[in-house]
Amino acid sequence: ETGVTQTPRHLVMGMTNKKSLKCEQHLGHNAMYWYKQSAKKPLELMFVYNFKEQTENNSVPSRFSPECPNSSHLFLHLHTLQPEDSALYLCASSQGEGSGANVLTFGAGSRLTVL
Amino acid sequence: GQNIDQPTEMTATEGAIVQINCTYQTSGFNGLFWYQQHAGEAPTFLSYNVLDGLEEKGRFSSFLSRSKGYSYLLLKELQMKDSASYLCAREDGDYKLSFGAGTTVTVRA
Repeated sequence: ETGVTQTPRHLVMGMTNKKSLKCEQHLGHNAMYWYKQSAKKPLELMFVYNFKEQTENNSVPSRFSPECPNSSHLFLHLHTLQPEDSALYLCASSQGEGSGANVLTFGAGSRLTVL
Repeated sequence: GQNIDQPTEMTATEGAIVQINCTYQTSGFNGLFWYQQHAGEAPTFLSYNVLDGLEEKGRFSSFLSRSKGYSYLLLKELQMKDSASYLCAREDGDYKLSFGAGTTVTVRA
């Protein structure tokens, strides 16, 4: 496997369910990101991890809980979501932070539908 | 946000040239990225501009004017496979990215 892999690609859940999104990168990168992409809206940065440490939480509601056990894996745990949370959730990685190191490699995304 | 503005949609004919403009706030600006995203796929990196001027990569070129807060992505000799969304992203001095909403380019035969 190469690049950034996200699973599942599609997820439908009820508002009371608990589910998790998984991201894995095989690029040797040190930084990993979660973005939310809604139709016709800019990509919204949710969380950033650099060397497994969370460096950014962009005022994300607590019903989204990230986990980064190592530099290659990133999870997004979902609990008691709302229908407006339905979106494409993109994982990305980069070599690190800093000019020139910040080129993001994205996964194909997990399409989430909350009923 | 960082007021990153780009057109919502553009349509052009195969073989033609299309220019996608992007404007942004200049305060705290560091660099400008362009990404391409085909429907249902991951965004992929196209270009990164830090200095003023035009950078050419094959059929795609990207231009930056730091003083004007302006960039454009130029797509030449359009092919059907160039139909995609093109995302402009501003990098600030802390290396944080802010994305525009994307420009959907449709290439017609």
